[in-house]
Amino acid sequence: SQQGEEDPQALSIQEGENATMNCSYKTSINNLQWYRQNSGRGLVHLILIRSNEREKHSGRLRVTLDTSKKSSSLLITASRAADTASYFCATDEGNNRLAFGKGNQVVVIP
Amino acid sequence: DARVTQTPRHKVTEMGQEVTMRCQPILGHNTVFWYRQTMMQGLELLAYFRNRAPLDDSGMPKDRFSAEMPDATLATLKIQPSEPRDSAVYFCASGPDRGGNQPQHFGDGTRLSIL
Repeated sequence: SQQGEEDPQALSIQEGENATMNCSYKTSINNLQWYRQNSGRGLVHLILIRSNEREKHSGRLRVTLDTSKKSSSLLITASRAADTASYFCATDEGNNRLAFGKGNQVVVIP
Repeated sequence: DARVTQTPRHKVTEMGQEVTMRCQPILGHNTVFWYRQTMMQGLELLAYFRNRAPLDDSGMPKDRFSAEMPDATLATLKIQPSEPRDSAVYFCASGPDRGGNQPQHFGDGTRLSIL
């Protein structure tokens, strides 16, 4: 099955800065989702963007989707120490089955 | 907030032993997923249920793994016999089935160590 691949793999930023992560995938999708995972916890859904959408916002999160390039980006604005986590993109090819990328470790330094 | 509950949170056992992991999906969710997370492979889908029926368990080693939903409030994942390579974090997730475009809700996982 296809997998999203995040880029960069690890990111370290100062509190207040913006963090941008990219995700690429290989086949047609129904939607693309971003999840956050704090250490020792399960994944938490952040945002879902459908294949016919190009941009979506949720609080300090901004997601873009370019289906022609098969890529998505997640922007976290004005980062906080609490944003330190791993971030995963996941593609839904249908039937709600998700294929996850390897994850992107973000460290926000206070 | 409704949550997916997984038990146990941690399990350490010797190879060859049977391991049973349990999951209580969110009430009203009729899709249930089992994932395995390792550093090397990331998150892998092991099994997927809809309305308690297994739809896909192709990600599961059939000779030792089995997944069931005895009722709508309980999903189980069993490994028998367990091997050291099964050491991983196992996650259960549930979601509503409203025709697609739905997020999944994850439990906090069972961290399994096979010695």
